[in-house]
Amino acid sequence: DGGITQSPKYLFRKEGQNVTLSCEQNLNHDAMYWYRQDPGQGLRLIYYSQIVNDFQKGDIAEGYSVSREKKESFPLTVTSAQKNPTAFYLCASSIDEAYEQYFGPGTRLTVT
Amino acid sequence: ILNVEQSPQSLHVQEGDSTNFTCSFPSSNFYALHWYRWETAKSPEALFVMTLNGDEKKKGRISATLNTKEGYSYLYIKGSQPEDSATYLCASPNAGGTSYGKLTFGQGTILTVHP
Repeated sequence: DGGITQSPKYLFRKEGQNVTLSCEQNLNHDAMYWYRQDPGQGLRLIYYSQIVNDFQKGDIAEGYSVSREKKESFPLTVTSAQKNPTAFYLCASSIDEAYEQYFGPGTRLTVT
Repeated sequence: ILNVEQSPQSLHVQEGDSTNFTCSFPSSNFYALHWYRWETAKSPEALFVMTLNGDEKKKGRISATLNTKEGYSYLYIKGSQPEDSATYLCASPNAGGTSYGKLTFGQGTILTVHP
């Protein structure tokens, strides 16, 4: 079955540690995205990538980093510089940026 | 940042009722308007991507209209069923930018359909 996988579903980390969230897709999509959801807020774009080896900052990129070395994979690293990392993180992909986005199941990150 | 707003924030209806909610967005430099449905414990799922003024799209009992000149879109659900209970999100690419994948989402409308 084609789709997007994110792992793990729940992640716990101590403050000051970097953590990497995984996102893999087998839909052969060129574009991939990372969003963050906080209670009472809409999805906010962290980073997006239109093609392999290229990515752009979204609206809230500070404290995050990404890589896009393979078409299928778009990992997100939450660094210790991110002031409020506890949130629900969603990864998505689309054929290209003009089309609907397909979302993964999400990772809930808790930093204490 | 583009301001995308949805109303109402939440809605409770009885099974069989028809309902609608609104997404508003700045009308300048419009490119596209996305609608997604997000059921509890599932991933958001695309309903429609609309690009033309006056566009009307339909998927089963759900339909959407688009007015790009005044900057709003309506989502309609005819004969609501309990399985329609979900958060409905709209999103639009940032105005004035060069990337149409850089979506700004509204806060969503939470629909609860009571049996």
